[in-house]
Amino acid sequence: DAGVTQSPTHLIKTRGQQVTLRCSPKSGHDTVSWYQQALGQGPQFIFQYYEEEERQRGNFPDRFSGHQFPNYSSELNVNALLLGDSALYLCASSPGPGARETQYFGPGTRLLVL
Amino acid sequence: SQELEQSPQSLIVQEGKNLTINCTSSKTLYGLYWYKQKYGEGLIFLMMLQKGGEEKSHEKITAKLDEKKQQSSLHITASQPSHAGIYLCGADPNTGNQFYFGTGTSLTVIP
Repeated sequence: DAGVTQSPTHLIKTRGQQVTLRCSPKSGHDTVSWYQQALGQGPQFIFQYYEEEERQRGNFPDRFSGHQFPNYSSELNVNALLLGDSALYLCASSPGPGARETQYFGPGTRLLVL
Repeated sequence: SQELEQSPQSLIVQEGKNLTINCTSSKTLYGLYWYKQKYGEGLIFLMMLQKGGEEKSHEKITAKLDEKKQQSSLHITASQPSHAGIYLCGADPNTGNQFYFGTGTSLTVIP
């Protein structure tokens, strides 16, 4: 079992560009949550996807959007990138929306916006 | 909004020493979770506490949740270099609400 995988591992973009990050959940997991972790900070919840729908959303602007596919994998899209979007983006999967104890995290995608 | 404060922000200890990391919530918690993160990597789940007064141990790490379910501590006995990393507490304010994390405690263990 590969666990939670994320791609790409690193990404460099310029202000105003758009980016798509990808996440494949652990086998048997149907729920995917996305977090943004700025340097020196704890992760901040962006949103959670379950049954191909956004179930919960944190305090992030509409520039952040996502999608979940029938195979439970997920994408995080960020439009009109700002310098402040530079962060480690973590994906976590779980066997259900409330299954925090069995929430597994991927290694993250490090995004740098110049 | 839910806030989790961790203290200290960073900790440098000599190998073999004991240490404690604290996590305090402004509201009663439904569940309190401890994670460890190697620098720049994903989070590894350590323990979950749900009941007031609950205490759990795994190897040399013990976590406790106070009776009011607003404060938790993580204690490491006889620290080793492998314990180095960032320790994060996370919480469910109640079922269905978004998950919150503390700001993290950076631990360095000097051999």
